[in-house]
Amino acid sequence: QVQLVQSGAEVKKPGASVKVSCKASGYTFTSYAMHWVRQAPGQRLEWMGWINPDNGNTKYSQMFQGRVSITRDTSASTAYMELRSLTSEDTAVYFCAREFWGSHDPWGQGTLVTVSS
Amino acid sequence: EIVLTQSPGTLSLSPGERATLSCRASQSVRSTYLAWYQQKPGQAPRLLIYGASSRATGIPDRFSGSGSGTDFTLTISRLEPEDFAVYYCQQYGGSPFTFGPGTKVDIK
Repeated sequence: QVQLVQSGAEVKKPGASVKVSCKASGYTFTSYAMHWVRQAPGQRLEWMGWINPDNGNTKYSQMFQGRVSITRDTSASTAYMELRSLTSEDTAVYFCAREFWGSHDPWGQGTLVTVSS
Repeated sequence: EIVLTQSPGTLSLSPGERATLSCRASQSVRSTYLAWYQQKPGQAPRLLIYGASSRATGIPDRFSGSGSGTDFTLTISRLEPEDFAVYYCQQYGGSPFTFGPGTKVDIK
């Protein structure tokens, strides 16, 4: 079955960077875009951007432009999301999600990123 | 950016009752690119409805979606115990894709 497995929880200091991985299985990795969405405590879901794994093209939300990079390793069927210059407001659960007719299905299990001094 | 609002914020109902959740967009959503997700505590969201009215794979037919333009509705015809959760709408017709604040359906 289609499955997305993300890397484990991270604790970072303000100003640092974090890189979260998302390993896909059960389908052809290069055939579907991969999105990244985050959810801060008690907040709504927030779309960050997506990558076309076939050609590496990306599109980012303006809110994160310049601070986020989404990349992929097709040989490992894995997508990555790197967020730089972290502040406490970046404390959130980060999800990857495969594109499905424009929407997102399925989702990874989520990765908690805590930013604290 | 398209802003989504959802109402009510919380819906208190009993199992077997009908739930009607609303999602309103600040501008028209292109080509009914509107999805609904269910999220339970500590879990990732699960896709229920895409294209405003198409059920995702494995979603029971008690879930239905309708609407177009700026007004959309998710209906759960008869609530089952496992349906008590938070529901989010999302538009993916224009970048950035945006989500509503969610409606919590809890047990009365």
